[in-house]
Amino acid sequence: NAGVTQTPKFQVLKTGQSMTLQCAQDMNHEYMSWYRQDPGMGLRLIHYSVGAGITDQGEVPNGYNVSRSTTEDFPLRLLSAAPSQTSVYFCASSHPSGRAYTGELFFGEGSRLTVL
Amino acid sequence: QKEVEQDPGPLSVPEGAIVSLNCTYSNSAFQYFMWYRQYSRKGPELLMYTYSSGNKEDGRFTAQVDKSSKYISLFIRDSQPSDSATYLCAFPNAGNNRKLIWGLGTSLAVNP
Repeated sequence: NAGVTQTPKFQVLKTGQSMTLQCAQDMNHEYMSWYRQDPGMGLRLIHYSVGAGITDQGEVPNGYNVSRSTTEDFPLRLLSAAPSQTSVYFCASSHPSGRAYTGELFFGEGSRLTVL
Repeated sequence: QKEVEQDPGPLSVPEGAIVSLNCTYSNSAFQYFMWYRQYSRKGPELLMYTYSSGNKEDGRFTAQVDKSSKYISLFIRDSQPSDSATYLCAFPNAGNNRKLIWGLGTSLAVNP
């Protein structure tokens, strides 16, 4: 059981480039989300999804796109990278049934992105 | 006023010490209270959660909630070097339980 898998673990981009951070989970979780973590800012929600075909914005969605075509995958796309998007990105998932009010999230190991 | 306040530390203690980590919050509608642990260069993992007020114990860890003071604590007894990590408090948003409100985390170092 791999849990939540994120790729790549490290990436360096130039300003204006685009890329996709991949996230896959094998726990059949309906809920998936993307966070960014920055010093002094903590964890901030970018986008989330409550099931295939359904996505919604979090606190800091600008500059990022998501889609959810399958239960397992939830990629995060940076459309035109900016230095302000230098961060550590975490994908997280949870099981809805019996967990709806606990917010128990299972996190991946993170993707460290640097935009020059 | 921030919705959640957590002292970032760093906190450094000798092995075997009792550690107290704390968060204050302003939203009286919060009903679930969580502690996540994050090791360096890893994702957070849920350590404990409690519902409403009171204490919950799990091995060396005790979570305490005081809703009247809007204050939660995590106590670690007989701390070990393996407890060295960042501890984050988190609260499901009362209006949308899929959105967690996070503290900034307290960095803890337990020295052998």
